[in-house]
Amino acid sequence: DGGITQSPKYLFRKEGQNVTLSCEQNLNHDAMYWYRQDPGQGLRLIYYSQIVNDFQKGDIAEGYSVSREKKESFPLTVTSAQKNPTAFYLCASTLSLVAGAEQFFGPGTRLTVL
Amino acid sequence: SQQGEEDPQALSIQEGENATMNCSYKTSINNLQWYRQNSGRGLVHLILIRSNEREKHSGRLRVTLDTSKKSSSLLITASRAADTASYFCAGRSAQGAQKLVFGQGTRLTINP
Repeated sequence: DGGITQSPKYLFRKEGQNVTLSCEQNLNHDAMYWYRQDPGQGLRLIYYSQIVNDFQKGDIAEGYSVSREKKESFPLTVTSAQKNPTAFYLCASTLSLVAGAEQFFGPGTRLTVL
Repeated sequence: SQQGEEDPQALSIQEGENATMNCSYKTSINNLQWYRQNSGRGLVHLILIRSNEREKHSGRLRVTLDTSKKSSSLLITASRAADTASYFCAGRSAQGAQKLVFGQGTRLTINP
């Protein structure tokens, strides 16, 4: 099956701890994205990557970090500097950088800070 | 800032009726996309309309785009209970940024 997988589905973290969310795709897509969704809200872009070893900050990058060492993987680390990390995190990818490509989404990771 | 803003925020109709959701955006776009999200799940792409198109159909979905008014609408005809979900519009900037900006969504409930 081709698609995007995110793990874990649910994640609990104590305040002050860093945590890494996994995102893997086997669609051979070039671009990958991380979004945050708060209850009843739309998606806000955290980081995105257009090619391996390159990534750009989105609208709410503070307190987050990413890496893109492999085309199929784009992990997101939520650091202790993120003051309000409890949210639903969605990873997405697109086939190419051509404007107009639809985004394919993973099932999401729900992070709760205890 | 949000590129798209959906209206209404919530919509509840009877099964079989048509549902219309609207989206307004602020800056020039290359295309506008509509997505669906079931509760607690990822988003699923529904339809994409380019800036040089005015209307597009896909099954029971009809999307319109008015670039002069910076607005789009999504019509779902003959609604079904399974259409219950949140619907988001997302604009891809014409300025070349390879990212989408999402609105806050319309929560659609279809009552059996």
